[in-house]
Amino acid sequence: AQSVSQHNHHVILSEAASLELGCNYSYGGTVNLFWYVQYPGQHLQLLLKYFSGDPLVKGIKGFEAEFIKSKFSFNLRKPSVQWSDTAEYFCAVKRGAGNTPLVFGKGTRLSVIA
Amino acid sequence: DAGVTQSPTHLIKTRGQHVTLRCSPISGHKSVSWYQQVLGQGPQFIFQYYEKEERGRGNFPDRFSARQFPNYSSELNVNALLLGDSALYLCASSQALAGINEQFFGPGTRLTVL
Repeated sequence: AQSVSQHNHHVILSEAASLELGCNYSYGGTVNLFWYVQYPGQHLQLLLKYFSGDPLVKGIKGFEAEFIKSKFSFNLRKPSVQWSDTAEYFCAVKRGAGNTPLVFGKGTRLSVIA
Repeated sequence: DAGVTQSPTHLIKTRGQHVTLRCSPISGHKSVSWYQQVLGQGPQFIFQYYEKEERGRGNFPDRFSARQFPNYSSELNVNALLLGDSALYLCASSQALAGINEQFFGPGTRLTVL
C-alpha cells in the first residue's frame, strides 16, 4: 500500500531560522506531490504542488519544495521562518494523473517562537 | 467567492447512533471528496463523488456511505457509530475528476462519539 512518511512530529524553531520538513513516499510510479498547511483554527490550504517539470517548486509565503525522484522525497523548505508560520504541515501524494485519491502523511507541527 | 462549506461545525453523538454530514462545494466544482482526520493523523480518504456517482472509495466499512446531489452538494452518512469514529470530517471540492485538479478543503465537521 502506498504510504507517505513525515519524519518530524513536532519542530520548534526560532524566528529567522531555516526550515526543512521531510516527506518520503513509497510509490514507485508517476506521482503528483503536494504540501498543505493548516493554521490554527483554519482549514487546510495548498502551499505548493509538483506535477512535472522543474523539480524545485515555489509556493506561497516563501515556501519551496524539491522533488528528488531517486530518494522518493519531497522536502519542504523555507529560508527564514516567521511566527505566523506556526501551523500543521501535511505532505500528500497522488498517484499519476488518473482518478486516484490523495494520501496524506501524519503531519508535522511547526512552532515558531520569538 | 464562497469556499467549501460544511455543516454542522460540531456534533456530539452516542454509540450506535447515525449521523449525516453535509458539504457544499465551490461554485462550478463538480467533484466532492470526503476525508476523515483523526487527532494526530493526516486526513484519510473516504469517498470521491463526481457527477453524482461514486468514483472512489477508501478503506472504510460499509457503515460509511455518501451521495451527491444534482447541485453537486454532498452528504456523508455514518451508521452505528463507534467511539473510533470520533474525528474531524473534511470535505474537499475540485473542478474535475481526473488529471491535474487541485482540491479545496472546507473547515470540517468535528464529530465526537460518546
